[in-house]
Amino acid sequence: NAGVMQNPRHLVRRRGQEARLRCSPMKGHSHVYWYRQLPEEGLKFMVYLQKENIIDESGMPKERFSAEFPKEGPSILRIQQVVRGDSAAYFCASSTDREVQPQHFGDGTRLSIL
Amino acid sequence: AQSVSQHNHHVILSEAASLELGCNYSYGGTVNLFWYVQYPGQHLQLLLKYFSGDPLVKGIKGFEAEFIKSKFSFNLRKPSVQWSDTAEYFCAVNANNAGNMLTFGGGTRLMVKP
Repeated sequence: NAGVMQNPRHLVRRRGQEARLRCSPMKGHSHVYWYRQLPEEGLKFMVYLQKENIIDESGMPKERFSAEFPKEGPSILRIQQVVRGDSAAYFCASSTDREVQPQHFGDGTRLSIL
Repeated sequence: AQSVSQHNHHVILSEAASLELGCNYSYGGTVNLFWYVQYPGQHLQLLLKYFSGDPLVKGIKGFEAEFIKSKFSFNLRKPSVQWSDTAEYFCAVNANNAGNMLTFGGGTRLMVKP
């Protein structure tokens, strides 16, 4: 997949630490979406960003979670003071400028909290 | 809020058997519909999509899906499965008043026995 790049693929943190997940969209895509997949569940929308703007964060937990998509560089999903319940796979997707285009997904970051 | 249901969580088939995976959504307005597949250890890949027009949609790898508006359904079908179709399948819906957000079903794990 020469498309959406996420790193790291696996991330292990202890409770109370910070987790930073990175996503570089496909070339030419300026819309980024973050989804979370808890064990045995489907993907749940978290946040939708364009360059330097958060468009929709209705799926983001109100505390400890933040996301950004700066003018230069990847999108970052940041989780402060992680807890066991944050263990999940976090997927990033991107799409073009046009609305309602299929979203292209990255391989995901599997976050494990010890 | 919209929701998506995939009633079959696990499906086991023999090669050459026919496949139908159910997907129902709860939203009365205009929707865009997607099926994604996730092969073991890989990212989600788009199988097919429906935006408008012919409700019978052809996708990659011999998959098709039929949008039945009266039933709020978008079932995925394949006449003859192969071992390589072993994967998890996700139905996703975008409602026209929900921006670019996708709502996913819980997924169906398909195992095809050789």
